[in-house]
Amino acid sequence: DGGITQSPKYLFRKEGQNVTLSCEQNLNHDAMYWYRQDPGQGLRLIYYSQIVNDFQKGDIAEGYSVSREKKESFPLTVTSAQKNPTAFYLCASSIREGNTEAFFGQGTRLTVV
Amino acid sequence: AQKITQTQPGMFVQEKEAVTLDCTYDTSDPSYGLFWYKQPSSGEMIFLIYQGSYDQQNATEGRYSLNFQKARKSANLVISASQLGDSAMYFCAMREAWNTNAGKSTFGDGTTLTVKP
Repeated sequence: DGGITQSPKYLFRKEGQNVTLSCEQNLNHDAMYWYRQDPGQGLRLIYYSQIVNDFQKGDIAEGYSVSREKKESFPLTVTSAQKNPTAFYLCASSIREGNTEAFFGQGTRLTVV
Repeated sequence: AQKITQTQPGMFVQEKEAVTLDCTYDTSDPSYGLFWYKQPSSGEMIFLIYQGSYDQQNATEGRYSLNFQKARKSANLVISASQLGDSAMYFCAMREAWNTNAGKSTFGDGTTLTVKP
């Protein structure tokens, strides 16, 4: 079955550490996205990529980094520069053009301890 | 400026009744899509329904329908015959085709729907 897989589901990080969240899709989508969701709030765009080897900052990119070396993969690194990283992170993908829905992974809940 | 506005942080509905969740949007792009997603407590985002800016008729998907009023820039979600499993957070989103935000989805802050038995 086609879909998006995020791992791990739960992640704990010590302050000052970098941590990488995995996102893999087998939908053959060109575009991939990372969103952050705080409790009871909406989704805010961190980074997005429309094509391999290219990505753009979203609305809240500070303290985060990404790479897009393969079409299927779009990992997100939460760096120590992110002051408040505890949140729910959602990865999504879509076709690049046209008004179609995004497909989401199950999410990763990151907690700083 | 907020591109997607959902003015109802929380809504209650009696089981088997209909409920309308409000969404207004702001764009200068002539080509855009409007989406509704459901997020249960598990956190996954479930796509419900889509309305294109050039669509002449309101979208329907089973118990879900979208009341699209283009001149008023509103795209309200109507859920008919509510079920207990409809209790979740609902997000309105927009994807623009041509402006600098092309391809990205912008989400509202969501509405938490609680269905009462």
